[in-house]
Amino acid sequence: NAGVMQNPRHLVRRRGQEARLRCSPMKGHSHVYWYRQLPEEGLKFMVYLQKENIIDESGMPKERFSAEFPKEGPSILRIQQVVRGDSAAYFCASSPVQVSYNEQFFGPGTRLTVL
Amino acid sequence: AQTVTQSQPEMSVQEAETVTLSCTYDTSESNYYLFWYKQPPSRQMILVIRQEAYKQQNATENRFSVNFQKAAKSFSLKISDSQLGDTAMYFCAFMKHVTGTYKYIFGTGTRLKVLA
Repeated sequence: NAGVMQNPRHLVRRRGQEARLRCSPMKGHSHVYWYRQLPEEGLKFMVYLQKENIIDESGMPKERFSAEFPKEGPSILRIQQVVRGDSAAYFCASSPVQVSYNEQFFGPGTRLTVL
Repeated sequence: AQTVTQSQPEMSVQEAETVTLSCTYDTSESNYYLFWYKQPPSRQMILVIRQEAYKQQNATENRFSVNFQKAAKSFSLKISDSQLGDTAMYFCAFMKHVTGTYKYIFGTGTRLKVLA
């Protein structure tokens, strides 16, 4: 059973460009979470999605950031008009529908560098 | 709002020795989960150990054990017989267990270095 897949692993963008980060959850998982880790900090929750629904986006910046988890295909975290402060590692995690506790399984992360 | 505090930014330990990493949290909830994650230089987040708040018995996973003090809101991680491969960032995390959002709240981490 493959783990959570994220691509690309490294992404370099110039200021003003768009960044698209992809996450494929573990097989059988329908819940996806995105976290951001700034240098020398812990992970911070951004958004929680189920298929075709955003459940909690309380950690998402109000502008330039969006996320989706379509019926088919991976979850996408999209950052428009990137700025240097967006440079960070972005982690995706997934969990199954029903477990006794909601442990989340993390992908390897995408390291975004904005020049 | 829940918060998680790790007061030790860096620690070091000699190989084969024991080390304890501290974590405190703040919540008004009675039902929740606590986790320790390890993040090696590869940046992959690896679950080390978990604890359900309603269980009084401290969780243990091989060389890793926790000291869970619910009243004091403390959740420390003890690593016995430290190995070089234990060198990593360690994050304490809190998760509230209610219907709806299941998000982790992470501490700022402790960088552990195991010395040969």
